[in-house]
Amino acid sequence: DVKVTQSSRYLVKRTGEKVFLECVQDMDHENMFWYRQDPGLGLRLIYFSYDVKMKEKGDIPEGYSVSREKKERFSLILESASTNQTSMYLCASSPPHSYEQYFGPGTRLTVT
Amino acid sequence: GQNIDQPTEMTATEGAIVQINCTYQTSGFNGLFWYQQHAGEAPTFLSYNVLDGLEEKGRFSSFLSRSKGYSYLLLKELQMKDSASYLCAVEDQTGANNLFFGTGTRLTVIP
Repeated sequence: DVKVTQSSRYLVKRTGEKVFLECVQDMDHENMFWYRQDPGLGLRLIYFSYDVKMKEKGDIPEGYSVSREKKERFSLILESASTNQTSMYLCASSPPHSYEQYFGPGTRLTVT
Repeated sequence: GQNIDQPTEMTATEGAIVQINCTYQTSGFNGLFWYQQHAGEAPTFLSYNVLDGLEEKGRFSSFLSRSKGYSYLLLKELQMKDSASYLCAVEDQTGANNLFFGTGTRLTVIP
């Protein structure tokens, strides 16, 4: 079974803190994605990556950055957390040319 | 740009059939996905339609009309465990496997 894990299920951070959200997949997938999910807005793509050290902006990259130093790991970084970044963050991965994305359990981040 | 519409909430009775509609307007289109998401859990893949027509998979079927920008998910013989959110997502042509999600339809199955 494909397994996508995220470092924390729940996280509380203060405004201005630097926040790291980690995602690891164990199926050697090339593609990895970071989404945020908010009520009434659905899932929105923040960043994605098709290969190691490669990254592309999604629909809402402002305030975020990413890092992919190893194939299995894709990190989302909030350089200076703000209250409007309080959300559920979901990581996903997929093999190349595949239509199915496999999602992690999500990290519920609260910024106070 | 992308615009994907689906109803916010639906209620149906155990054992019945329910149809969840999704309409989309996109600048490019490669295919349409349906995902299921139980409360507090990750989305899981249900179906993928590329060509027009109906794809059946057990109790779940998904239909696509590319010319009308329309899809539906059909759930038969509803069970209580089908209570979940159902997410419609469009894959565009600008990048491989990039998905644009609708806001989801929360389905409640009642006895």
